[in-house]
Amino acid sequence: GAVVSQHPSRVICKSGTSVKIECRSLDFQATTMFWYRQFPKQSLMLMATSNEGSKATYEQGVEKDKFLINHASLTLSTLTVTSAHPEDSSFYICSARGLGLADYEQYFGPGTRLTVT
Amino acid sequence: GQNIDQPTEMTATEGAIVQINCTYQTSGFNGLFWYQQHAGEAPTFLSYNVLDGLEEKGRFSSFLSRSKGYSYLLLKELQMKDSASYLCASSDSNYQLIWGAGTKLIIKP
Repeated sequence: GAVVSQHPSRVICKSGTSVKIECRSLDFQATTMFWYRQFPKQSLMLMATSNEGSKATYEQGVEKDKFLINHASLTLSTLTVTSAHPEDSSFYICSARGLGLADYEQYFGPGTRLTVT
Repeated sequence: GQNIDQPTEMTATEGAIVQINCTYQTSGFNGLFWYQQHAGEAPTFLSYNVLDGLEEKGRFSSFLSRSKGYSYLLLKELQMKDSASYLCASSDSNYQLIWGAGTKLIIKP
């Protein structure tokens, strides 16, 4: 199957700072990338959908100025959590769909555990 | 509206069979996914059903009834490593996934 990587896998930051998470498709071109967050013992919550070269579409209730998403190339999307607060601590997961894959195929990155102190 | 229901937790014995049910209501329904997620890890794809019926893949099988808005994941010959959360997700016409809360499966020796 296709491979998606995320970096970093874990990050601890202080309240008020910004954190950037990278999501890369390693062996396919990702036309669409999805960003999810997951709180303990809960399911995945879609935050936003991004298509290469265009602005991300955010889900209702997700602040686009706080969670900046950039999908500048067919292999890289970034999520920047600006002015992070302890309530932003969560597991952030990206997934991707892309060229050469079936429409329904979506591959997940390994996730990034963000802890804001 | 969009809604997905699955049991919160199930317990089964090593070597046995377990069935995890999922009911959904999805506008523009375009298929049903099952994912496995171990604690602290990302989900991994198990199955995708878009037509009615049973699809078997090794120890795992998945069933779909579109008319009933119902799916199940069947796990046979349970192994300890099958202890995980199993996420049901329905797809709309744009392949946007609507996720269930997940079923935590506990396997006992």
